This record gives sequence, structure tokens and C-alpha cells, in this order.
Amino acid sequence: GQNIDQPTEMTATEGAIVQINCTYQTSGFNGLFWYQQHAGEAPTFLSYNVLDGLEEKGRFSSFLSRSKGYSYLLLKELQMKDSASYLCAVNLRVRTTDSWGKLQFGAGTQVVVTP
Amino acid sequence: ETGVTQSPTHLIKTRGQQVTLRCSSQSGHNTVSWYQQALGQGPQFIFQYYREEENGRGNFPPRFSGLQFPNYSSELNVNALELDDSALYLCASSQSGTASYEQYFGPGTRLTVT
Repeated sequence: GQNIDQPTEMTATEGAIVQINCTYQTSGFNGLFWYQQHAGEAPTFLSYNVLDGLEEKGRFSSFLSRSKGYSYLLLKELQMKDSASYLCAVNLRVRTTDSWGKLQFGAGTQVVVTP
Repeated sequence: ETGVTQSPTHLIKTRGQQVTLRCSSQSGHNTVSWYQQALGQGPQFIFQYYREEENGRGNFPPRFSGLQFPNYSSELNVNALELDDSALYLCASSQSGTASYEQYFGPGTRLTVT
């Protein structure tokens, strides 16, 4: 079956660094997404990792290890506006053809940034 | 560039009724996926539409059905509504056949079933 785990909540201080871990066990895999979702809003794209390694994009970095079924999202220089839910999602085959794009999401990690 | 839009924003229905939710995909995108997000949970894949056909389905019963139109917009229909269908329904558009699988989400429709 498919299983994606991430912590429920993390709290950090403004200006600090927070690392959100995501582990997955899936049959079939073609990359891992990170989305940010503020309360009552749609998820917004942060990163997509297909190959092993670290991808850096401004204050946000994402890491993937396919052999370990593990990813993390690193948020640096935290700002109050970073308080949100962060969703890890794996990209799966939509069906038994060569079509991808079925996203399997974790339950999300609520990040609370305090002054 | 036009983003993904959904209508209505909020909806209240009674158990047993039927509902239709609408989604307009982002300009240039030919694929629409629908997700259900219960409170405090991640989105769950319902199905995906490509070239006006269902291209794959998650673990949802047949009373969840959909359509895609020639302009790539899409509808989600839910029959015989149940209380557990109360959720945020998200549609996401993407462009199949490219190296990027990024899905752009609409603002969602909040459905409440009483």
C-alpha cells in the first residue's frame, strides 16, 4: 500500500531554521512535491525533486533520497508568513499506462512561527 | 496567464442531494485532477481527466463522477451526498506530456453536507 508520514506540528522562532521530514513507502514513484497551504487557501507549489540530492530555492531547500524513501523541506530565516501547513506528496502513475500525475499527499505538517 | 478558478466558493447541501462543482484550468493546461481534502488532512486524489476522458481514479465510489470539456474545463459531480462528503474540493491543472508534473491548484470549493 501507499504510506506517507510527516510530523503533525512543528514550532520555531522567527529567524530560525526548521526541517520538515517526510518518509514514504509507495509502489511506483516519479518524484516528490512539497506544497505550502495557508488555512482556507489552496496549496501552492514549493518544490519538486525527481533525482537524489538537494535543491535550493531561496529560503527553501528540499532534499530527496529515493533509496531511503525520505525527503525533507528546509525553511531558513523563518518569517511569520511562513506559518502554514506543509504538504509532502509523491507523484504516482495515474493508472497502468505511462501517465503520471496522481499525487499522494501526507497529512501535512503545521508549522507555527513565533515572534 | 490565467490561473485555476473554481465555482462555487462555498456550498451547503442536504444529505441525499446531488452537487456539481466546476473548474477552469490554467491557460495552456490540458489535464485536470480533482482532490478531496477533509479538515486537518492532506488532499486525496479522486480522479484525473485528460482529453475529455477519465485518466485514472482514486478510492472513491462511482457516485463521484466527472466531465472534461473541449476547453479543458471540468466538472465534479457527487450523487447521493453523505455527511462524510463535507470537505474542501480542489481541482488542479497541469500540462501532460511535459517534463514538469507541477499541478496548479484552484482556490477550492468548501462543501458542507447537513
